[in-house]
Order: sequence, then C-alpha cells, then structure tokens
Amino acid sequence: GENVEQHPSTLSVQEGDSAVIKCTYSDSASNYFPWYKQELGKGPQLIIDIRSNVGEKKDQRIAVTLNKTAKHFSLHITETQPEDSAVYFCAASTGGFKTIFGAGTRLFVKA
Amino acid sequence: ETGVTQTPRHLVMGMTNKKSLKCEQHLGHNAMYWYKQSAKKPLELMFVYNFKEQTENNSVPSRFSPECPNSSHLFLHLHTLQPEDSALYLCASSQGRAGVPYEQYFGPGTRLTVT
Repeated sequence: GENVEQHPSTLSVQEGDSAVIKCTYSDSASNYFPWYKQELGKGPQLIIDIRSNVGEKKDQRIAVTLNKTAKHFSLHITETQPEDSAVYFCAASTGGFKTIFGAGTRLFVKA
Repeated sequence: ETGVTQTPRHLVMGMTNKKSLKCEQHLGHNAMYWYKQSAKKPLELMFVYNFKEQTENNSVPSRFSPECPNSSHLFLHLHTLQPEDSALYLCASSQGRAGVPYEQYFGPGTRLTVT
C-alpha cells in the first residue's frame, strides 16, 4: 500500500547548525507534500508545503526540496534555535482527502 | 490557536464505558478528519467527512463510531474499547474537493487512556 518513510527518527543538533530530515514515498501519483511541526501538548501545524510542479521552496530558515524521479523530499532547517525542538512529520497526498504521514522525527536543538 | 478545538483534552475510561470525543472548527472548512496518533507510529487516518458525508473509513473497528451533524462539528463515539486503543486522537479540518489537496488544521487532541 501507500507508504511514507521518514529518517532519522531522532536528530540532535547544536544551536546554529543545520538540520535535515528526509522522506521517501511510494505512490508516484503523489502531488502534494506538506511538513508539519508538533510541539508538546499540541496538534501538528503546517510549516511548509510543496507541490509536484516545484522542485524547491524556501520560507526564511526553512526549505523543502522534492525529487519526483527518486520519490524523495527533504526538509532543511538552517540556523537552528532551541524553539525548533519538536517532532516533525512529512506527508504525501495524491489529492483529495487522504494524506499519508511519516512516523516523525524528534529534533533536539541544544543551546 | 488553530481554529480547531477538541474536548475533552484528557479521558480515562474503562473497557465497558461509553464516551464521546467532540471536535469543532471555526474556519469555515468543509472537510473534517479523525486521526489516531500512537507513540513512534505515523498518524493513522480513521475517518474523513466532506460536507457531512463520510468519504473515508480506514478499516476502523466498529467500536469507534463517528458522527458529523454539520461541517463544523465532528464526534467520535467510543464503546467497549481495548487497552490498545489508548492514544492521542486528533481532529483536523481543511478546505477541499476531490483531487485537490489542501493544508489540514489540527486540534490539540484528546489523550485517551483505556483501563
């Protein structure tokens, strides 16, 4: 069935360093790739998304890249700050109402 | 605040109890979702409603019974649950129409413990 693999499951970086989280998807019909951040006691919130007609998108310190041929997409966070510590989820959708999520990456940013 | 509220935030229930989770969205969206979030597992889609009509039922056991009286409210009725049903239950809403994906807005979740 449809599947999204996410790595690593845990990531620890020093404040100011960059963090990269990678995902692969199985359904080649996927055309929408959101990234969500979940802080303790809260639901996931969208931080950036990319559609299949775009290879890269950037929003301040956050960027996402998409390689449709390889079915890979990645989240890049530069100049990490302690408040970036959270669980990050990638996801893939073929359209409509069904979105497949990765298992999550717990990011720790050490001050 | 995301515009999606869930009550209660925490719930402890025995296996023979009946309880309900409530979700309300104030965003004018037409689609609402229930997800189950267990430790170290991907979010599992349970149900989707679009304009009050169920469009997805992801092989969820009948002890979970959803209800969507209108586009702003979504309920999840629980009865005779098992300990493995203990998890965080998340509600979400989005705009949407078939074939076009939209961002989902999540509520804070209900932490359910089945004893």
